[in-house]
Amino acid sequence: DIQMTQSPSSLPASLGDRVTITCRASQDIGNYLRWFQQKPGKSPRLMIYGATNLAAGVPSRFSGSRSGSDYSLTINSLESEDMAIYYCLQHNEYPYTFGAGTKLELK
Amino acid sequence: EVQLVESGGGLVQPGRSMKLSCAASGFTFNNYDMAWVCQAPKKGLEWVATISYDGSSTYYRDSVKGRFTISRDNAKSTLYLQMDSLRSEDTATYYCARQDGSYPNWFAYWGQGTLVTVSS
Repeated sequence: DIQMTQSPSSLPASLGDRVTITCRASQDIGNYLRWFQQKPGKSPRLMIYGATNLAAGVPSRFSGSRSGSDYSLTINSLESEDMAIYYCLQHNEYPYTFGAGTKLELK
Repeated sequence: EVQLVESGGGLVQPGRSMKLSCAASGFTFNNYDMAWVCQAPKKGLEWVATISYDGSSTYYRDSVKGRFTISRDNAKSTLYLQMDSLRSEDTATYYCARQDGSYPNWFAYWGQGTLVTVSS
């Protein structure tokens, strides 16, 4: 199975900060990588698809990038509504696997 | 508007069975692969199973193979997850999700989830 190693698990940050969350894939997944945001009691929301593409309706302060087997989600100029848990998902092959999640919280 | 509404969760004893449903609307259900994703309390997301648009192909995570069965009734626009031989570690909120369609929209649509609690 493909392992998605996500870091950090917790990320304290201040409003206006630029933050980056990373997932490392244990095998090649191409660009079959998505990022989700989840707030307490809510369903996941798709933020990034194809590793680098912004999903519909997602603010432009969010971006995705790839460097080899490392995939990153960056949020520029953090806003209070961005406080949530973020997960990556590889859907290159079954079983699909999520990263363990990163809890973004106010410092 | 795409809507996915799960139902069927609740409290069940270990070793017993439970069947979840996901009623779909707002799109042509029989054109799309569908998936179940679960989330144990205070834990992360886990993909559980996927079924192809016509039901001909199914995929499962190892921990549920032989115990869970994903199925669909395209005439009723409904997705199912039959869960047998339930274990305490199956306790989770189960979400259905639309898996495919135009590439940007894979996993763009999720239900609100239904909680399954396995306990004696």
